[in-house]
Formats: sequence, structure tokens, C-alpha cells
Amino acid sequence: AQKVTQAQTEISVVEKEDVTLDCVYETRDTTYYLFWYKQPPSGELVFLIRRNSFDEQNEISGRYSWNFQKSTSSFNFTITASQVVDSAVYFCAPLDSNYQLIWGAGTKLIIKP
Amino acid sequence: GAVVSQHPSWVICKSGTSVKIECRSLDFQATTMFWYRQFPKQSLMLMATSNEGSKATYEQGVEKDKFLINHASLTLSTLTVTSAHPEDSSFYICSAWATSGRGIDTQYFGPGTRLTVL
Repeated sequence: AQKVTQAQTEISVVEKEDVTLDCVYETRDTTYYLFWYKQPPSGELVFLIRRNSFDEQNEISGRYSWNFQKSTSSFNFTITASQVVDSAVYFCAPLDSNYQLIWGAGTKLIIKP
Repeated sequence: GAVVSQHPSWVICKSGTSVKIECRSLDFQATTMFWYRQFPKQSLMLMATSNEGSKATYEQGVEKDKFLINHASLTLSTLTVTSAHPEDSSFYICSAWATSGRGIDTQYFGPGTRLTVL
């Protein structure tokens, strides 16, 4: 069965600092998908990225970047030059064979001005 | 991206009453929708999978007679919390799969409904 670990419960940084959110997953599937979602204080989950396991190229989207390491089963998320608006809970979620997302505990990110 | 709406966004009710929450896919059809609940400072917990035209599939430990799900059309699923009690107070979120503008299948989420049972 799929499992995901987000070991960092809460991270607090000062605005403009870079911050990396860790995600380690377990799977027996040879092909799988991984997602990151952001949940700001309003509560609405916002889709950030979907990664296919067969594509190991890292992705960058503006200040956001993702480092996928299949060998270590990690899919870490980095925010460069963080901003107060980045404050939210971030979830890493692998997709299981039933097409359901498996949710980690989430990492609460606090960006201080 | 695809839009999923929920109504109401929040509701306060007395213990023993029933509450209906609607989830709509606004610009796409969803044969399957998902219902989650989230307690404060916790992760999402899948309650059930709502299937258009058939019975919902409930996760282990979720009372199907307590949480009634109806997926009557390709754009609407409803969750009714029957005889609500204070322990049912939670944040309820629905979601559905859709294809994003970049052609990626993604699960989109509604804004959530905060239920408070007095």
C-alpha cells in the first residue's frame, strides 16, 4: 500500500528565505503519480503539481521547484524567496492503485514578514 | 483549472438535525466525486467515493446511514449528515478528477464546508 511521510510538522522562516518541504513515500507500484497541494488558511486545497514516476526531470514553476528522487523515494518541494502569501499547509500525496490520493500529515509553513 | 463548488460554505445547526452539503463540478462532468472530512490541524480523511447513478463506496469506519451520499447527476453530489451531533463538527471537502489545461488529470477540490453542530 502507498504511504507518505512528511516529517516536518511545522516550518517557520523569514520572508525571502528559501525553504524546502520534505516528502518521502512508499509504494510497491513501478509506475505511480505524486501530487503536491497547498491549503491556505481559507481551507481550499490548491493543486500545485503532479509528477509521473517515469519522468525524473525536476520541475520549476516560478519560485516553486520540485526535486524528484526515485532512488530515495523522495519528492521534495522548494520555495525560493518565500513570501508571506506562501504561508499554508502543504500536502504531498501519492496516488494509489485505486486512483485515490494518500494524504500525508502535511507541513505547516509559516512565513514571517 | 477545473472548478468545484460547495454549498454552503459554512453551517451551524442544532444537535439532531440533518444537514445537506452540495458539491458541483462547474465546467466539467464528474462520474466520480470524493468526500473528505478534516479535523482541525489534521490531514484529510477520505469518507466515501460518490459514483454517479450508483451507490457510494464508503471507507472503513464511516457510517453510511449517518452520511448519506447521492450522486444524481454528472455535476452534482450531495452529502447529508443525518441527525448531526457535536462530534460531527468538521470541515467537509469534496473533490473530483478533471483534466487540467495542460492535459493532466488532477483532483480538484471544492472550497469546503465548515459544519458546527451545537
